[in-house]
Amino acid sequence: EAGVTQFPSHSVIEKGQTVTLRCDPISGHDNLYWYRRVMGKEIKFLLHFVKESKQDESGMPNNRFLAERTGGTYSTLKVQPAELEDSGVYFCASSSSRHTQYFGPGTRLTVL
Amino acid sequence: QKEVEQNSGPLSVPEGAIASLNCTYSDRGSQSFFWYRQYSGKSPELIMFIYSNGDKEDGRFTAQLNKASQYVSLLIRDSQPSDSATYLCAVGSGGNEKLTFGTGTRLTIIP
Repeated sequence: EAGVTQFPSHSVIEKGQTVTLRCDPISGHDNLYWYRRVMGKEIKFLLHFVKESKQDESGMPNNRFLAERTGGTYSTLKVQPAELEDSGVYFCASSSSRHTQYFGPGTRLTVL
Repeated sequence: QKEVEQNSGPLSVPEGAIASLNCTYSDRGSQSFFWYRQYSGKSPELIMFIYSNGDKEDGRFTAQLNKASQYVSLLIRDSQPSDSATYLCAVGSGGNEKLTFGTGTRLTIIP
């Protein structure tokens, strides 16, 4: 069974540019989560999808961040325009009804 | 006060000894508790979860939960160099809700 995959693995952009991160959850997992870890801090929750619906987006930092989950399959997280403080590692996780969240390898975003 | 607190380490343990990792949490309503292991540059990998007070054993790993004290720990017996990693404590409110993480404890097993 394939795990959670994320693309790209690394992204380096300039302040003000747009970046889109993609996450493919484990097949059959209805729950999809986005988390972020900024330098030296803990992993923090951003958003939770159940199928294509946003269940909880209380962790989204501001309206420069837009997450979508087309047809309840893969998800994208767009940052527009990117700011320096958006740099960090963005993790995606998925779970079935059994609660355990499985994490992807993360996308390391660097905003210059 | 942080919601989930861990000693950042580094914690150094001789090979073959028991490594003890600790975590405290502030939300008394927390229902689910997870330990993830993360190697440098890799994804967090789930190694243990526990929902009820007491001990839960899985191979060389034992998770311990004390909800009254809001404390969860992970014991690693017969520590191996391959156990060297950062261990993340994560807490959930149950169901499929979000996880709240600690900053992680960096563990080094000394051969």
